[in-house]
Amino acid sequence: EEQLVESGGGLAQPGGSLRLSCLASGFVFKSYDFHWVRQPTGKSLEWLCGIPVAGDPHYPGSVKGRFTISRDNVRNTLYLQIINLRPGDTAEYFCARRNGKSGAFDVWGRGTMVIVSS
Amino acid sequence: QSVLTQPPSASGTPGQRVTISCSGSGSNIGGNNHAYWYQRLPGTAPKLLIYKNDQRPSGVPDRFSGSKSGPSASLAISGLRSEDEAEYYCATWDDRRSAWVFGGGTKVTVL
Repeated sequence: EEQLVESGGGLAQPGGSLRLSCLASGFVFKSYDFHWVRQPTGKSLEWLCGIPVAGDPHYPGSVKGRFTISRDNVRNTLYLQIINLRPGDTAEYFCARRNGKSGAFDVWGRGTMVIVSS
Repeated sequence: QSVLTQPPSASGTPGQRVTISCSGSGSNIGGNNHAYWYQRLPGTAPKLLIYKNDQRPSGVPDRFSGSKSGPSASLAISGLRSEDEAEYYCATWDDRRSAWVFGGGTKVTVL
């Protein structure tokens, strides 16, 4: 079964940092682009960043350098480093695989919750 | 305020047809970019329902269908079932923002 499992969420202090992980299984990890998407409670989905099979990661302007996506093709793991955490970063964080043929985010993890509060 | 506009809610009785709209602009759906639809059941991961405007992945029932016209896309659910109660999100690439964008989500209730 193709699967993504996120970890690393939890309670964090404002101004602190976190590293989220996403472990892939059931498919050839190095053959796909991956993305991070988050959803604050009661709000919509928000795309955070993506990393291709080869080449530079891509971030929207709104992220403003606080997020860093990376991948380890040996460990089949995707990462998201978040620095200078803000209460507005409180959300469920999902990793998602992007299928090159369909263009869609076709496999998603179940999410990891990040709560930023003092 | 989401880049793509969806109605916040939709409802129907079992067996009815429900349609959800997703309104964009020339820099996203209205351009050359495809619309995608995702379903999120409470407590579960988002699930791909429709890709490239009107294509269904294997395993998605043919009760779900998508279409695109100009800067808008639509998702139709026919033969509504209780298990269709969920949030539905449209998504696409936005050329001006150079970003993936999502709609605000539509909560479907089966009466």
